[in-house]
Amino acid sequence: AQTVTQSQPEMSVQEAETVTLSCTYDTSESDYYLFWYKQPPSRQMILVIRQEAYKQQNATENRFSVNFQKAAKSFSLKISDSQLGDAAMYFCAYRRYTGNQFYFGTGTSLTVIP
Amino acid sequence: DTAVSQTPKYLVTQMGNDKSIKCEQNLGHDTMYWYKQDSKKFLKIMFSYNNKELIINETVPNRFSPKSPDKAHLNLHINSLELGDSAVYFCASSQGRPNEQFFGPGTRLTVL
Repeated sequence: AQTVTQSQPEMSVQEAETVTLSCTYDTSESDYYLFWYKQPPSRQMILVIRQEAYKQQNATENRFSVNFQKAAKSFSLKISDSQLGDAAMYFCAYRRYTGNQFYFGTGTSLTVIP
Repeated sequence: DTAVSQTPKYLVTQMGNDKSIKCEQNLGHDTMYWYKQDSKKFLKIMFSYNNKELIINETVPNRFSPKSPDKAHLNLHINSLELGDSAVYFCASSQGRPNEQFFGPGTRLTVL
């Protein structure tokens, strides 16, 4: 089974600053999908950003961008101009190209300091 | 216009009881999932159905039984509840590739 590792259980960032959350994964496949989900205290899981492995260009969604390093099997999330509402648990997830199973990391708890 | 809904959102019950959690999605997705999130926030897949057919059945106690009456619904029934079953249970759905999973709001189950 694929494994997804988030090595930072907790991170903090000053408001308006930039923070990067790390994610690595283990796979022998060449095609797959990667996601970052956000879980605020409300506990609702919200998709932040998605990356297809066959795309070399890093995905970007407003203040959120990824650094996808396929050879290194790394998929980090950069949050620019951090806002108080960014405080949440962030999960990295891997989805195989075939099949329906998603593999989640253990999460990184992000605190935003005013 | 809730995409994935779960009922109830909170469930408090005694050990040994049987309870059900219901999930419905109005997105027209073919695949639905149940996850368990423990107190450390770890998300563990339990089951997945595709068009009412069980496709993922992880190692969970057989006290847990999913039921999919149609592709828009996936319910979770739990028999003989134990203290360790206390967790947040999430339902999710997805459709095709590369689409992500859409999650319900979660059901916080507390077993006393």
